[in-house]
Amino acid sequence: EAGVAQSPRYKIIEKRQSVAFWCNPISGHATLYWYQQILGQGPKLLIQFQNNGVVDDSQLPKDRFSAERLKGVDSTLKIQPAKLEDSAVYLCASSFRDHLNEQFFGPGTRLTVL
Amino acid sequence: KNEVEQSPQNLTAQEGEFITINCSYSVGISALHWLQQHPGGGIVSLFMLSSGKKKHGRLIATINIQEKHSSLHITASHPRDSAVYICAAFYYGGSQGNLIFGKGTKLSVKP
Repeated sequence: EAGVAQSPRYKIIEKRQSVAFWCNPISGHATLYWYQQILGQGPKLLIQFQNNGVVDDSQLPKDRFSAERLKGVDSTLKIQPAKLEDSAVYLCASSFRDHLNEQFFGPGTRLTVL
Repeated sequence: KNEVEQSPQNLTAQEGEFITINCSYSVGISALHWLQQHPGGGIVSLFMLSSGKKKHGRLIATINIQEKHSSLHITASHPRDSAVYICAAFYYGGSQGNLIFGKGTKLSVKP
């Protein structure tokens, strides 16, 4: 069974530029999560989708971050414009149904904002 | 404020030692996850608990709902167990829930 795919694996941009990350969850998983993990800290949930609907985006900085999962399968997370403090690993995870199911994580995208 | 606290932050052990990592949380939860993160960032889910105890190989996870505390034990530790172990608690707040992560415990097992 293929795992959660993410791309790119690494990205370096300058502040005020835009960047987009892509995630393809495990086939059949209804729930998709985007997390931000700053060095030395645990992951922080940015947004949770169930199929193509948003369940929780309370910690998403909506002035610069956006995410979509239009067909309820793969998802993109965008930052526009990026700030220095956005440097982090962006993790995508999926689960069969919800938080009571095991989450499977992708390898992450390491973003460096200069 | 809902918080998840882990201890210790860093742990060094000799191969073969019994290891315990602790996690405490501040309010009632509906589920608690233990995750393992290897250097390079990949995260693997180890356990999801809502009560009692679970065992998988040399790993054991327990949760005490009354004391708002969970532990992850590793028996007969091995250098390949070296990783960051993260606990995450799921709280229901208002109309939706929120998964709160601890900062992780960095474990190094020396041969």
